[in-house]
Amino acid sequence: ETGVTQSPTHLIKTRGQQVTLRCSSQSGHNTVSWYQQALGQGPQFIFQYYREEENGRGNFPPRFSGLQFPNYSSELNVNALELDDSALYLCASRATTGGVEAFFGQGTRLTVV
Amino acid sequence: EDQVTQSPEALRLQEGESSSLNCSYTVSGLRGLFWYRQDPGKGPEFLFTLYSAGEEKEKERLKATLTKKESFLHITAPKPEDSATYLCAVQTHSGNTPLVFGKGTRLSVIA
Repeated sequence: ETGVTQSPTHLIKTRGQQVTLRCSSQSGHNTVSWYQQALGQGPQFIFQYYREEENGRGNFPPRFSGLQFPNYSSELNVNALELDDSALYLCASRATTGGVEAFFGQGTRLTVV
Repeated sequence: EDQVTQSPEALRLQEGESSSLNCSYTVSGLRGLFWYRQDPGKGPEFLFTLYSAGEEKEKERLKATLTKKESFLHITAPKPEDSATYLCAVQTHSGNTPLVFGKGTRLSVIA
C-alpha cells in the first residue's frame, strides 16, 4: 500500500459527458501528477500540481483540467468525453518537486461509450 | 525528445528460468531511472531507483543495473507470482519534470 488513494475505481460515461476523478496523496507529499494509460501502453503524463499550482503539462488538450487543494489532494476533470479517453487514469505523489520516487494509486478505470 | 524503449514486449518463462528485461533510454540529462511492477488493472508499484552508470540494486529475485544507455532488470529463478508487467521510466533534468515511461514488458512465469 502506497497511501495514495483514488476514487472511483471504475466508472462508465457517455461520449460528450464530463467526469471528475479524485486522488488523495500520500501523507507529507505535496506534488501530485496525473497519467493516462491506454491498454498495452505505458503511462502518459497529463499534468502535475505543486502547492495548488500547475507546474507541468503533457500533450493533452485543454478539456483535461485539474485542481490541487490545500491538503494536497487533487482532481482531474475531463470535459466533452471522447471514446479515446477510455483508459486507466493514474495519480502519483512525491514528497516535493525535487523528490525522486513517485508512488502511484490503484487507478481509475474510465470507460466512455 | 526523451525516449524509453523496453524489450521484449512479452516474455514467457518456466519457473526457475532466469532472464533479463531491457530498458534503453535516450535523454538529454538523466536524473533517475525507475523500475515499476504493474499487475493487471492496478497502479504501478515502485521497485527501484537508479541514478548513475554502474549502480545496482536488488530486491528478492530482482536485480536492476544501469549503464549510460540502458538498464537491465534481472530476474533470478522466477516464480509464478513474479508474473506482471514491468515498466521502466526516466526522469530528466530537475526534479519537477515528469516521468517518461516505456511500454513495459509483460512477464509470464509458468509453473
